Amino acid sequence: EDKVVQSPLSLVVHEGDTVTLNCSYEVTNFRSLLWYKQEKKAPTFLFMLTSSGIEKKSGRLSSILDKKELFSILNITATQTGDSAIYLCAVVRRGNTPLVFGKGTRLSVIA
Amino acid sequence: GAVVSQHPSWVICKSGTSVKIECRSLDFQATTMFWYRQFPKQSLMLMATSNEGSKATYEQGVEKDKFLINHASLTLSTLTVTSAHPEDSSFYICSASWTGYNEKLFFGSGTQLSVL
Repeated sequence: EDKVVQSPLSLVVHEGDTVTLNCSYEVTNFRSLLWYKQEKKAPTFLFMLTSSGIEKKSGRLSSILDKKELFSILNITATQTGDSAIYLCAVVRRGNTPLVFGKGTRLSVIA
Repeated sequence: GAVVSQHPSWVICKSGTSVKIECRSLDFQATTMFWYRQFPKQSLMLMATSNEGSKATYEQGVEKDKFLINHASLTLSTLTVTSAHPEDSSFYICSASWTGYNEKLFFGSGTQLSVL
């Protein structure tokens, strides 16, 4: 059965800290990996990763994929209270099949 | 960018009534839409895959007679929670993808359902 495992499930840090969120996967017909941020409503797209070793960056957020070891990490530097959210990792499989989501990491950034 | 509109944003209903949630792709045609359910502090749980012009594919454990899905056009899918009960209270989110590009998955804003 295809699965995506995120760790940690929850994390509390202070403003200014750097955090690393982990996502490992075991899926057949892997195509790409997505990261989403979910605050109060629907998830918002952060990154799509298809190739190993190529870092994607957006401001203080960055992510990288390792297709050999089957994992991805999401880094957030200089965290702010606005980064508090659930971060979801999802894997896209070939064909028009549903995403496989991890359980998410709940990040709380305290001032 | 592509937008998916979901309506209503929240609904409160009495136990035993039915509630319809709409999911529209506003500027693209979505042959496939997905319906998710999310309990507080938990991840998205896929309920069903809705394909335009055909029957929805339900995930194991999801009652198809309870959660009726209709995908009558390339821009609209509806989820009807029939004879709602308090345990159906949850956050429901739809998503839609461009044909053949599952990475281009856009989410609706979600519907918070509270059944009294």
